[in-house]
Amino acid sequence: DTAVSQTPKYLVTQMGNDKSIKCEQNLGHDTMYWYKQDSKKFLKIMFSYNNKELIINETVPNRFSPKSPDKAHLNLHINSLELGDSAVYFCASSQGTGGNTEAFFGQGTRLTVV
Amino acid sequence: GESVGLHLPTLSVQEGDNSIINCAYSNSASDYFIWYKQESGKGPQFIIDIRSNMDKRQGQRVTVLLNKTVKHLSLQIAATQPGDSAVYFCAERDTGGYNKLIFGAGTRLAVHP
Repeated sequence: DTAVSQTPKYLVTQMGNDKSIKCEQNLGHDTMYWYKQDSKKFLKIMFSYNNKELIINETVPNRFSPKSPDKAHLNLHINSLELGDSAVYFCASSQGTGGNTEAFFGQGTRLTVV
Repeated sequence: GESVGLHLPTLSVQEGDNSIINCAYSNSASDYFIWYKQESGKGPQFIIDIRSNMDKRQGQRVTVLLNKTVKHLSLQIAATQPGDSAVYFCAERDTGGYNKLIFGAGTRLAVHP
């Protein structure tokens, strides 16, 4: 009954590979996010989708491409992985884009590029 | 640019004491703030939020104070317990809309028996 679930939890891959991280939420929310947390624990938003529409696209290399097949899913595909992509990636969701709505976070995917 | 920062990267307290975690934000127009708790190996978990039209909000053992004059937030935890050990983040909602949260750097709270 996990609210926001990500797979995989751990991902180790070589430079140059292409990988995907999947996220699903069962909260009925219409907005989903991807955040990146670096080695110093700093959390920064990457993307947000509202009702399958991209609404936030931060300054992220175009090797990162999010895809939202429906409101409950937001996947992140990364091409040509680089060492600097190593981080923990968090998916989150919230109800709507305004008001007092906190974001609910998944458990994170620890990506290690070697 | 906008930023949210914390004064203390690590806070050590004795079990049973009260803890105060501080946060400074830079955008005076921000209208909504959240405190999150992140335990090791887990995602951030919502603790408490506050709107800019409030100065104080209380939850169970936690209180958030907002001082808009100096753009300062604090999280007070009463009777700190070992289970409170975690990294705490304050976040402000970006005024550009879309519920974009801008996080501070985090403070590690270590509770000692």
